[in-house]
Amino acid sequence: GAGVSQSPRYKVAKRGQDVALRCDPISGHVSLFWYQQALGQGPEFLTYFQNEAQLDKSGLPSDRFFAERPEGSVSTLKIQRTQQEDSAVYLCASSLFPRTSSYNEQFFGPGTRLTVL
Amino acid sequence: AQSVTQLDSHVSVSEGTPVLLRCNYSSSYSPSLFWYVQHPNKGLQLLLKYTSAATLVKGINGFEAEFKKSETSFHLTKPSAHMSDAAEYFCVVSVMTTDSWGKLQFGAGTQVVVTP
Repeated sequence: GAGVSQSPRYKVAKRGQDVALRCDPISGHVSLFWYQQALGQGPEFLTYFQNEAQLDKSGLPSDRFFAERPEGSVSTLKIQRTQQEDSAVYLCASSLFPRTSSYNEQFFGPGTRLTVL
Repeated sequence: AQSVTQLDSHVSVSEGTPVLLRCNYSSSYSPSLFWYVQHPNKGLQLLLKYTSAATLVKGINGFEAEFKKSETSFHLTKPSAHMSDAAEYFCVVSVMTTDSWGKLQFGAGTQVVVTP
């Protein structure tokens, strides 16, 4: 595809349910980032993959959050035992090389809006 | 540590008048700075980026930004606002430390309203 895609676009979960959010980056992109955007706020970094290696997970808010990219392309963000404070838009971004710079920008997907009831 | 501060949470302009969105940054390194726009229920779109090749950066849809190192600012402007410019705008810095891999640090955003 031409851009980053994410699915589902919308997800409603009952508190305590597990959810899985999928990201398809631009083909060939080495770097993949996940961000969380709470209502009315800017996105905040969650985790970073370089190919299949998860090199930075410093932004994951708790051990209920888990991300993987087993073959270095598609990535899945999993949230276990969802809570109301997990309600947010989850954004995925990819870039061609490691290390974002003005010559290696991140391209964003449309996001998945998660609502936890 | 790198950070950005957007000085206005909301900006309201009339169609056809200039737009100014203010952003100050803090960086220990030569920063990689970006402006992104987010329309309702749409993904983030890159408006422009500072590459250090020029201090005045031109982006899409008539937007431009000026990098001023002495003022640590990267303000976004457009000479004449269109109704389609109504959106949320984010000033963004790439965090360039040895173990950050360039994760993006977003400002809080500026909501732009354009009135007829």
